[in-house]
Amino acid sequence: GNSVTQMEGPVTLSEEAFLTINCTYTATGYPSLFWYVQYPGEGLQLLLKATKADDKGSNKGFEATYRKETTSFHLEKGSVQVSDSAVYFCALGVNQGGKLIFGQGTELSVKP
Amino acid sequence: DGGITQSPKYLFRKEGQNVTLSCEQNLNHDAMYWYRQDPGQGLRLIYYSQIVNDFQKGDIAEGYSVSREKKESFPLTVTSAQKNPTAFYLCASSIQGGSAEAFFGQGTRLTVV
Repeated sequence: GNSVTQMEGPVTLSEEAFLTINCTYTATGYPSLFWYVQYPGEGLQLLLKATKADDKGSNKGFEATYRKETTSFHLEKGSVQVSDSAVYFCALGVNQGGKLIFGQGTELSVKP
Repeated sequence: DGGITQSPKYLFRKEGQNVTLSCEQNLNHDAMYWYRQDPGQGLRLIYYSQIVNDFQKGDIAEGYSVSREKKESFPLTVTSAQKNPTAFYLCASSIQGGSAEAFFGQGTRLTVV
């Protein structure tokens, strides 16, 4: 079946540090891949997406590349800020089945 | 502005009572979803609907019910059969099910007292 696995949190970094949050997936067919961000007490917001192999999604300094050979979609940012503190969710969607599947989320805490 | 609206933001329910959570979208999206989120956990799918008058059970549908009589509305009823209903509930919609990005509401925090 389809599934998403993320690295466990919490992840604690100092401001301006490099961020990587690992995400791997299992899917039949050709999924689209997403990263969502959730700030405390709020819903999820789309951060970036990629719809086919080798696509790179980017937004607000965050990047992720769709790697079919390693079934991965790792999230990276070169220099994190305190305002990036949130929970990050990796997700996949396939046309057949009609639903998005989420990883368990990774909490990021950035200290000044 | 287009968006997806959940109400109320906070809801308290006495044990044994049914309660309905509202979800409305004006994005003209076909697909709508309900997720449950517990502290420190990911999102678990309760129900989803790809088209009006049709919906499917997700991974944790027991104790919940939904309806999809209008394209813009997808209310969720938490019944007394749900053993542990205290949670954060998120509604989402997408232009089509599956590979399209989802837009989320702000969530409803349900507490059973």
